[in-house]
Amino acid sequence: AQTVTQSQPEMSVQEAETVTLSCTYDTSESDYYLFWYKQPPSRQMILVIRQEAYKQQNATENRFSVNFQKAAKSFSLKISDSQLGDAAMYFCAYLMDSNYQLIWGAGTKLIIKP
Amino acid sequence: DAGITQSPRHKVTETGTPVTLRCHQTENHRYMYWYRQDPGHGLRLIHYSYGVKDTDKGEVSDGYSVSRSKTEDFLLTLESATSSQTSVYFCAISESPGRNNSPLHFGNGTRLTVT
Repeated sequence: AQTVTQSQPEMSVQEAETVTLSCTYDTSESDYYLFWYKQPPSRQMILVIRQEAYKQQNATENRFSVNFQKAAKSFSLKISDSQLGDAAMYFCAYLMDSNYQLIWGAGTKLIIKP
Repeated sequence: DAGITQSPRHKVTETGTPVTLRCHQTENHRYMYWYRQDPGHGLRLIHYSYGVKDTDKGEVSDGYSVSRSKTEDFLLTLESATSSQTSVYFCAISESPGRNNSPLHFGNGTRLTVT
């Protein structure tokens, strides 16, 4: 069965610095999608970035980028120039291409220190 | 924001009572999902729908049923609520989850407390 593991329950970073959140997953599929979602205290789930497994190039969205290592089944999120508004829970998720089910990690709480 | 409305936003109910949560969308998206979110577990899929009257079970479907009689509405029912079903419930929609321009969009969640 597919699983997603986020090994860091909590991370903290100084404002304006860079932080990397880890995610590993287990699958036997070759085609799938990976996502990072952000959940601020408002509880809203917000898509941060996505990656298709067939693409070797790492996805980038402004200050957010990923390091996708398919062979290692690793999908880390790098946040550059951290801002106070980045404080939130961050969830890694895996989408099975076969049935469009999303499997979620347990989340990492990101704290931004001013 | 995608047009998704969950109702109610909060509900407190007693053990053994039936509860129905509603998810309403105005996007005409094909796929609709119900998740529950508990500390330490992230989101777990309860049921999902890939069209009117087409539904399937997720990983934590026991004690829950769903119905989708119209494209815009996806109902989640707890036939006899238990304290273990105290959670935050999220609805999500997508036209085609794997496509680049169709990610999952989430509602604001329903906090359910079973006493």
